[in-house]
Amino acid sequence: NAGVTQTPKFRILKIGQSMTLQCTQDMNHNYMYWYRQDPGMGLKLIYYSVGAGITDKGEVPNGYNVSRSTTEDFPLRLELAAPSQTSVYFCASDNRGDEQFFGPGTRLTVL
Amino acid sequence: AQSVTQPDIHITVSEGASLELRCNYSYGATPYLFWYVQSPGQGLQLLLKYFSGDTLVQGIKGFEAEFKRSQSSFNLRKPSVHWSDAAEYFCAATPKDSNYQLIWGAGTKLIIKP
Repeated sequence: NAGVTQTPKFRILKIGQSMTLQCTQDMNHNYMYWYRQDPGMGLKLIYYSVGAGITDKGEVPNGYNVSRSTTEDFPLRLELAAPSQTSVYFCASDNRGDEQFFGPGTRLTVL
Repeated sequence: AQSVTQPDIHITVSEGASLELRCNYSYGATPYLFWYVQSPGQGLQLLLKYFSGDTLVQGIKGFEAEFKRSQSSFNLRKPSVHWSDAAEYFCAATPKDSNYQLIWGAGTKLIIKP
């Protein structure tokens, strides 16, 4: 039982490049989330999903897209990367209102 | 607007001393409340949660938290800290009748003096 896994762990992008952050969970959770964490700040919700085929915007969705084709996977797509997207990104999953399980994070730098 | 406030950005305590981290929430009704810990370079791990019932909640690693409705607070405590407790601590809340999106505090960084 690996829990929530994220790849890559680190990435440097140039302004305008695109990339996909991968997230997979093996706990059969319906709910999945993408957060960003900036220094000295709490977590900000980017997008979330309540099940395969269903996604919705969180607090800071601009510049990102998601898809949820399976229960296990919830990739986050960055289009046209900007320096403001430099952050640590966390994926999490849970069973509706219970403990959220977090991945180890992806540290992204946009130069 | 719904919010979670952690008034202390940093707290420094000596090893073996007691600890209290503050958390206040602003909601129309009592939300579900959580404390998470983030060790350096790691993801977040749940310490404890409060849904209803007994207002003193026990968690992992010797932590406890007390819900006080009159003060809209959910403070985290530990009677004696260890050097391994050095980490960042986050309080979070979600309304009971919502889609369970968590609102997060900004975090409190705990520094342990030897």
